[in-house]
Amino acid sequence: AQKITQTQPGMFVQEKEAVTLDCTYDTSDPSYGLFWYKQPSSGEMIFLIYQGSYDQQNATEGRYSLNFQKARKSANLVISASQLGDSAMYFCAMRGNDYKLSFGAGTTVTVRA
Amino acid sequence: NAGVTQTPKFQVLKTGQSMTLQCAQDMNHEYMSWYRQDPGMGLRLIHYSVGAGITDQGEVPNGYNVSRSTTEDFPLRLLSAAPSQTSVYFCASSEDREETQYFGPGTRLLVL
Repeated sequence: AQKITQTQPGMFVQEKEAVTLDCTYDTSDPSYGLFWYKQPSSGEMIFLIYQGSYDQQNATEGRYSLNFQKARKSANLVISASQLGDSAMYFCAMRGNDYKLSFGAGTTVTVRA
Repeated sequence: NAGVTQTPKFQVLKTGQSMTLQCAQDMNHEYMSWYRQDPGMGLRLIHYSVGAGITDQGEVPNGYNVSRSTTEDFPLRLLSAAPSQTSVYFCASSEDREETQYFGPGTRLLVL
């Protein structure tokens, strides 16, 4: 089974600053996909960004970017210009060759005004 | 499109009762899956389906059954509920097994 590690249980960030959420993974699959999801206090799971293991460039989606370091098996999420609405739980997930999605334990982000 | 819908939003069961959590999608997605979310843990895969008539087990399948008779629906059955099944349940779907999964709003289940 794939293993996803998110070492930061909780983080505080000042509004308008950037924040980096760590994610490391363990797999021997040659091809895999990495995902980040946001879960606000209302409970829904919102897809943010995707990175394929063979993608040459780091993925970006608006204020979200994924810092993908394949050799280090890390896929950190960077949120730029934080907003109060970014306060939520963030999950890193990986899909391996079995096409099943495995999730990390999540990181809670609190944005301060 | 309504996307992925789940019913009910909240349910209380007594130990030993059975129930079905409903999941439907109107996007003609082939791949559907069920997860449970417990405090301090990420989502864990219960069962999944790559198309109508095809289902398979995920990481934590014990105590749950699924079927996929149509592309749109993927119900999750608890045959005899246990307190350990108290959790939030999410259904998700994607165009196929390689695409991004989109989640329903979740069902909060409490087993007494």
